[in-house]
Amino acid sequence: GENVEQHPSTLSVQEGDSAVIKCTYSDSASNYFPWYKQELGKGPQLIIDIRSNVGEKKDQRIAVTLNKTAKHFSLHITETQPEDSAVYFCAARSNFGNEKLTFGTGTRLTIIP
Amino acid sequence: DADVTQTPRNRITKTGKRIMLECSQTKGHDRMYWYRQDPGLGLRLIYYSFDVKDINKGEISDGYSVSRQAQAKFSLSLESAIPNQTALYFCATSDRGVGTGELFFGEGSRLTVL
Repeated sequence: GENVEQHPSTLSVQEGDSAVIKCTYSDSASNYFPWYKQELGKGPQLIIDIRSNVGEKKDQRIAVTLNKTAKHFSLHITETQPEDSAVYFCAARSNFGNEKLTFGTGTRLTIIP
Repeated sequence: DADVTQTPRNRITKTGKRIMLECSQTKGHDRMYWYRQDPGLGLRLIYYSFDVKDINKGEISDGYSVSRQAQAKFSLSLESAIPNQTALYFCATSDRGVGTGELFFGEGSRLTVL
């Protein structure tokens, strides 16, 4: 089955700096890669996703890049703000028609004012 | 009001007790899911349902059962709770499935089994 590794587990950055979270996956058939943000006491919320036919996707200060050859994808947050502090999860979904999203273990991002 | 509502939000129980976690949604989605979150392990799928007549096991279904009472309601049961079922449980919904659409999560039910 799919295995997703996520690094780092914790990340602290100064407000205004950039943050990068990286994930690797094992199943070359995976074709959908979402990123979820979980704020304290809340459920995860989708912030951006990318499909295997695209190399990069941006949404304002957030971007995701995908390298299918190396089987890794990354979340980039620029001009970080205090409200970016949260736990971020990457995930991968295999192309075998099931409903299984394999999640990474999460990254706790702290923005230092 | 939240689109996906979970009850209870917190529950402490003892080993061997039967526990039910309930989920209701107002999003009108057919697909509903139960996930378990443990520190350092991410989220893992317990069960999912495409409609009231379709229930499917996820990757960690042992020790759990579910009931889809209606399109909007999906309950998770622990028939005889054990301490290693202590975790944060999330219900989620989707209109197009995890490969094509967004998962909408509830706020979670924290279960502690003593």
